Amino acid sequence: GAGVSQTPSNKVTEKGKYVELRCDPISGHTALYWYRQSLGQGPEFLIYFQGTGAADDSGLPNDRFFAVRPEGSVSTLKIQRTERGDSAVYLCASSPTAGNGYTFGSGTRLTVV
Amino acid sequence: AQKVTQAQTEISVVEKEDVTLDCVYETRDTTYYLFWYKQPPSGELVFLIRRNSFDEQNEISGRYSWNFQKSTSSFNFTITASQVVDSAVYFCALSGVDTGGFKTIFGAGTRLFVKA
Repeated sequence: GAGVSQTPSNKVTEKGKYVELRCDPISGHTALYWYRQSLGQGPEFLIYFQGTGAADDSGLPNDRFFAVRPEGSVSTLKIQRTERGDSAVYLCASSPTAGNGYTFGSGTRLTVV
Repeated sequence: AQKVTQAQTEISVVEKEDVTLDCVYETRDTTYYLFWYKQPPSGELVFLIRRNSFDEQNEISGRYSWNFQKSTSSFNFTITASQVVDSAVYFCALSGVDTGGFKTIFGAGTRLFVKA
């Protein structure tokens, strides 16, 4: 596609529920990144994929967070047993290869009530 | 550990003024990349520039210029003759290759207000 597409743009969920956030990167971009941004702060790294494999998942806060990219294109960020502290904008970005500047999506605003 | 510090939380200028956004970084890597991104009120982060650690040449792109100095671990961004459309949050970022594995760390951002 022309840009990085993230769906949904907004998600409101109840505490304890499971959510999935989807990212469709730019076609041909092998590197895909997930970040989380809270109000007034910079993006916080979560996980980075090179192709299908997670090259670095050191930013995932705990085992409730998991991400996949099974075919090396679309990625899904999964959050189990959501907590109010998970509320943030979840950003996805892609780049042709690692080390390049990123193209970011518009983000998914997750609100846990 | 890698770190990016943007000491200026907010800057307010009047249109046509020049403004410099400061960025100081820390890394033990000898090979790394530095970036600037812009986040306008619409919210989507936009990539502006990437520099690698072996290239200290300053860069100019229209009204934007970047000054990279390894001696002071700084990568400052100057907007000349600022315009209202420059109002945004600007993020400096660092990606260390040797130990960072291309994970990019962002600073906290500087919010720039340009008043007409």
